[in-house]
Amino acid sequence: GQQLNQSPQSMFIQEGEDVSMNCTSSSIFNTWLWYKQDPGEGPVLLIALYKAGELTSNGRLTAQFGITRKDSFLNISASIPSDVGIYFCAGQQPGTYKYIFGTGTRLKVLA
Amino acid sequence: EAGVVQSPRYKIIEKKQPVAFWCNPISGHNTLYWYLQNLGQGPELLIRYENEEAVDDSQLPKDRFSAERLKGVDSTLKIQPAELGDSAVYLCASSPGQGNEQYFGPGTRLTVT
Repeated sequence: GQQLNQSPQSMFIQEGEDVSMNCTSSSIFNTWLWYKQDPGEGPVLLIALYKAGELTSNGRLTAQFGITRKDSFLNISASIPSDVGIYFCAGQQPGTYKYIFGTGTRLKVLA
Repeated sequence: EAGVVQSPRYKIIEKKQPVAFWCNPISGHNTLYWYLQNLGQGPELLIRYENEEAVDDSQLPKDRFSAERLKGVDSTLKIQPAELGDSAVYLCASSPGQGNEQYFGPGTRLTVT
């Protein structure tokens, strides 16, 4: 099935570093969601974005709805070991209420 | 507030056997989704319900998969007969309504041997 492109696919970072990841598509979306998934668990909603250009924070996490409506960005500041996991974006197709998920970014933190 | 509940968490069956998964959404959430998640990939939609109506089942393999949400609350997803390629995690999610954010359950990990 269709999946959005997420970059990077995986990354190792030092504890305390800032992290940036993005999600891109050739189609426009009405809503962007960002999730974190730990092994053996379901995805947990981190941030929801509803308007182009919107910038929303949740603690150390900040996400932005791209101005073209074809992309979204997630930043994590001052990473800690519990940030380890897989981060997924999901975009909602206009007029369908259907979400398309990204391929995931695997974050690994070096203590 | 209780989250989305799924059972069982794990299931191992032999190929050609039937299997069923159950989901109880967050109270008051009218929209319910079933997703399939293969290893290393993002979730892919199987079916979406608005109350008891399946409004998008275009990606549900209807020759072996079926789903129901008879009273517009709990839902069951069934596979009969299961194939080796059905081994995956089956996720249920719910939403207050169309266009709103989705909340996922812990998933059911199915292994078909």
